[in-house]
Amino acid sequence: RKEVEQDPGPFNVPEGATVAFNCTYSNSASQSFFWYRQDCRKEPKLLMSVYSSGNEDGRFTAQLNRASQYISLLIRDSKLSDSATYLCVVNGAAGNNRKLIWGLGTSLAVNP
Amino acid sequence: DGGITQSPKYLFRKEGQNVTLSCEQNLNHDAMYWYRQDPGQGLRLIYYSQIVNDFQKGDIAEGYSVSREKKESFPLTVTSAQKNPTAFYLCASRNTGFNQPQHFGDGTRLSIL
Repeated sequence: RKEVEQDPGPFNVPEGATVAFNCTYSNSASQSFFWYRQDCRKEPKLLMSVYSSGNEDGRFTAQLNRASQYISLLIRDSKLSDSATYLCVVNGAAGNNRKLIWGLGTSLAVNP
Repeated sequence: DGGITQSPKYLFRKEGQNVTLSCEQNLNHDAMYWYRQDPGQGLRLIYYSQIVNDFQKGDIAEGYSVSREKKESFPLTVTSAQKNPTAFYLCASRNTGFNQPQHFGDGTRLSIL
């Protein structure tokens, strides 16, 4: 099992739709979780950290499910500008906070 | 402005040549990282450094070298031993406290001539 797994997609949704991505992780001791977005040929940019109680930032909601070892990202009212690859990141083995493990990303295309 | 600066944006390497990619940050972050990304692939860790004068190999360190003589600088040398250097190279930094995210420079694209 990979340390961090994401469905590569692509997810094709119409503008205004709600879309959700999951990301599973293998190390139950992981403590830090993040979502980044990466546009084509650009660097990853932090979208949001994921907190135990779940957190929201505008149209974006992130949640953590420790029992099932996954994090999720929900995007409401999708915009064309949301089209990107969404990367999930988890801190490394045995709660090692020095290395972050990156998923391969989920591709989202929001269509007019 | 605070941030991470990578240079050059594009770089071409000749056969047998070593090239050095620059990464400078003014965020006062202790930890710095180098990643490689190939088309359609995820980020793979080359080297990282938690503190000045110390660095650790990542998952794909062969053919690369780094130094960390100053807190704000973490240059990466792609040596001639790296036979497939064509990729997008990303430098990142972060604070080392709990739950601190990485912040990235805008990358260097390296190609072989």
